[in-house]
Amino acid sequence: GENVEQHPSTLSVQEGDSAVIKCTYSDSASNYFPWYKQELGKRPQLIIDIRSNVGEKKDQRIAVTLNKTAKHFSLHITETQPEDSAVYFCAAQRGYSSASKIIFGSGTRLSIRP
Amino acid sequence: EAGVTQFPSHSVIEKGQTVTLRCDPISGHDNLYWYRRVMGKEIKFLLHFVKESKQDESGMPNNRFLAERTGGTYSTLKVQPAELEDSGVYFCASSQDRLVTYNEQFFGPGTRLTVL
Repeated sequence: GENVEQHPSTLSVQEGDSAVIKCTYSDSASNYFPWYKQELGKRPQLIIDIRSNVGEKKDQRIAVTLNKTAKHFSLHITETQPEDSAVYFCAAQRGYSSASKIIFGSGTRLSIRP
Repeated sequence: EAGVTQFPSHSVIEKGQTVTLRCDPISGHDNLYWYRRVMGKEIKFLLHFVKESKQDESGMPNNRFLAERTGGTYSTLKVQPAELEDSGVYFCASSQDRLVTYNEQFFGPGTRLTVL
């Protein structure tokens, strides 16, 4: 079936260091990979995404990479700050021009130590 | 513009009781989704409406769950009778139906359901 594996489940890094979250997906038809951030008590929000025809995308301190052959994708946060503390979900979807369900990973709780 | 709203924010009920969750999508969004996160696991898809029609209900766990979207506006998700394993956070999301670009799904704040 369709599933997304996410590691690690918890991650603690020193403020200013980098954080990396890794995911793998099983559905070969997946071609869109959004990342959601959920701060404590708030709703999940899309922070960055990558499409299957792109290997890497960067937006300020966050970047995502995709290896479609290996079905791996990763989130990289550099120069971490206290406001980066949250639960991060990787996800996979089929298609991006029509609505489809999101298959989420199990989440990574990221804590930034001052 | 108001985001996706959900009601109630929390619900505590006893096993065997009935609970109805409500979701109001962003105005003009034809697509409405229900998801659930149980005990710190992944957020799992339940079903997808396009306007008032069920497009995909492959994630609904069993026939104790009933989702409706009469008139294609707000949606309700009823659990009857509730079981202990139904506890979790129920999220609603909505998206537009654009043909040429990604339909970002905007999430509501969730309803935390606790079944005792």
